[in-house]
Amino acid sequence: GAVVSQHPSWVICKSGTSVKIECRSLDFQATTMFWYRQFPKQSLMLMATSNEGSKATYEQGVEKDKFLINHASLTLSTLTVTSAHPEDSSFYICSAQDPGRLAGTYNEQFFGPGTRLTVL
Amino acid sequence: LAKTTQPISMDSYEGQEVNITCSHNNIATNDYITWYQQFPSQGPRFIIQGYKTKVTNEVASLFIPADRKSSTLSLPRVSLSDTAVYYCLVGGTGGFKTIFGAGTRLFVKA
Repeated sequence: GAVVSQHPSWVICKSGTSVKIECRSLDFQATTMFWYRQFPKQSLMLMATSNEGSKATYEQGVEKDKFLINHASLTLSTLTVTSAHPEDSSFYICSAQDPGRLAGTYNEQFFGPGTRLTVL
Repeated sequence: LAKTTQPISMDSYEGQEVNITCSHNNIATNDYITWYQQFPSQGPRFIIQGYKTKVTNEVASLFIPADRKSSTLSLPRVSLSDTAVYYCLVGGTGGFKTIFGAGTRLFVKA
């Protein structure tokens, strides 16, 4: 159980276009999802925390107008990279927490397989 | 959030036991210690979690001393497929966000 999927797994786009990445919790409802970005040979960098039905909370230095996050349902969060540029090329990973597992225990996160974005 | 410090990289040979130690001097009372494994171009995968003493599951053991200022992930008899980056994270219960440190890049050789 506790499977998270991402779509697409990879995408190539032209500079100036917008790209949407979907993150879905397949067998549980996730009130909280997280978006990370990872550059080659580096660790995951938390971009934002996405809460169902409310505005996302962005980490310092992450432009909220460039990285639009929508968490419209308990199983889907989307990240839209607007007006993408080559420096936005990266590996984007989402994760989700299962509220049913949180009570009195730990905050295990279930990660998606990631989306490789390449901006030409 | 407590900061973690791990070795940048480690090398090992197939069949050996590998121990990766993580320092977390500022760990809070309600923090748990969690280890994740990440292969290239994949999302991290949960390995093990603990609060104190020793925890063991089918893939690893986690040793946590009484002061909880460090923890050691033990991988018994590693294989080539254990080559990956291992992250030690410290965080509380109830939906706290997770901040990844640099991780330890383990390379297992034949």
